[in-house]
Amino acid sequence: AQTVTQSQPEMSVQEAETVTLSCTYDTSESDYYLFWYKQPPSRQMILVIRQEAYKQQNATENRFSVNFQKAAKSFSLKISDSQLGDAAMYFCAYRSSLMDSNYQLIWGAGTKLIIKP
Amino acid sequence: NAGVMQNPRHLVRRRGQEARLRCSPMKGHSHVYWYRQLPEEGLKFMVYLQKENIIDESGMPKERFSAEFPKEGPSILRIQQVVRGDSAAYFCASSQQVNYGYTFGSGTRLTVV
Repeated sequence: AQTVTQSQPEMSVQEAETVTLSCTYDTSESDYYLFWYKQPPSRQMILVIRQEAYKQQNATENRFSVNFQKAAKSFSLKISDSQLGDAAMYFCAYRSSLMDSNYQLIWGAGTKLIIKP
Repeated sequence: NAGVMQNPRHLVRRRGQEARLRCSPMKGHSHVYWYRQLPEEGLKFMVYLQKENIIDESGMPKERFSAEFPKEGPSILRIQQVVRGDSAAYFCASSQQVNYGYTFGSGTRLTVV
């Protein structure tokens, strides 16, 4: 069974600085999807960035980028120029590409990101 | 497009009562997924439904929990005879196709007193 581990319960960063959130996962599959979701105090789960395992190029979305290391099964999120609005819980999630389980997301426990003004 | 609508946003129930959580998927989405989030944890898959069909309920407790997605109306997650351990945030997500991206609702926070 797949697992997702986020080893940092909490991280803090000064506004305008860069922070990296860690995520590792375990799977025997070769094709899958990885996600980072943001959950602000409103509780809405917001997709930040998505990576397909077959793509070697790291995904980027404006100030958000990932460092995807497939062999190491590592999927870290880098937030550049941190803003106060980035404060939230961040969750890493895995989804299989196999037909019988490609609808289910497997989640890490989350990292609480604090932005210091 | 109003997105995925969940109600109520907060629900308080006494032990032994029933809880009914509603989820209206995005317009055009026929796939609905329910997840549960316990405090300090990530989400855990409960059940996947299509219109009038339960596709996978492997993450849902066998007793007291049930889910439906009727032809008309919202999807309902029903918890009978609630216990304190049922206190959690329950999230619904929907998608247009099974392997398309999800859209999440804002969740229902259930508190059992």
